[in-house]
Amino acid sequence: DGGITQSPKYLFRKEGQNVTLSCEQNLNHDAMYWYRQDPGQGLRLIYYSQIVNDFQKGDIAEGYSVSREKKESFPLTVTSDQKNPTAFYLCASSIKDRRGEKLFFGSGTQLSVL
Amino acid sequence: AQKITQTQPGMFVQEKEAVTLDCTYDTSDPSYGLFWYKQPSSGEMIFLIYQGSYDQQNATEGRYSLNFQKARKSANLVISASQLGDSAMYFCAMSGGYQKVTFGTGTKLQVIP
Repeated sequence: DGGITQSPKYLFRKEGQNVTLSCEQNLNHDAMYWYRQDPGQGLRLIYYSQIVNDFQKGDIAEGYSVSREKKESFPLTVTSDQKNPTAFYLCASSIKDRRGEKLFFGSGTQLSVL
Repeated sequence: AQKITQTQPGMFVQEKEAVTLDCTYDTSDPSYGLFWYKQPSSGEMIFLIYQGSYDQQNATEGRYSLNFQKARKSANLVISASQLGDSAMYFCAMSGGYQKVTFGTGTKLQVIP
């Protein structure tokens, strides 16, 4: 059963602590993305990766870091530099065809600050 | 740069009635794609429907149809025969050229029994 798995579903961070959100996909997609969603708002792009060992900053990359050592995995670290980390985080992968790019999403991680 | 605008923060519809959710877009790319996603209270984003800029016909997927008016740069989602399970946030999005996928701010739809 192909898809995108995000874990954990809920995560709590203490002040000054780094936390890592996991994202794994078995869809064999090259591109992967991390979005942040604040209550009642749309999605904002944090980081994306088009290929293994390569990634680019999105619109709100400050305070976050990523790695892409394997095609299947794109973990997101929320560092202590991110002063307002409480949000819903969505990971996605995408496939491109002649008609464009289509995103598939995981079920999300809710991060809260203790 | 790409931009998606959803001007309806919230909508109500009676069960079994049809509802239209508005979406306008702006882009300089000649080739682009337009999407609608549904986000129920559980948080996951569910793909609903896709329209390519060169597609001649409006896209349809079951009870969902996309009213694509290229000259007006609009891509409205029409949900026919609304069901209680349709209550959710709905996001319009677009992709094109070298731009990443851009999302609108969403419309919260509530279906009334």
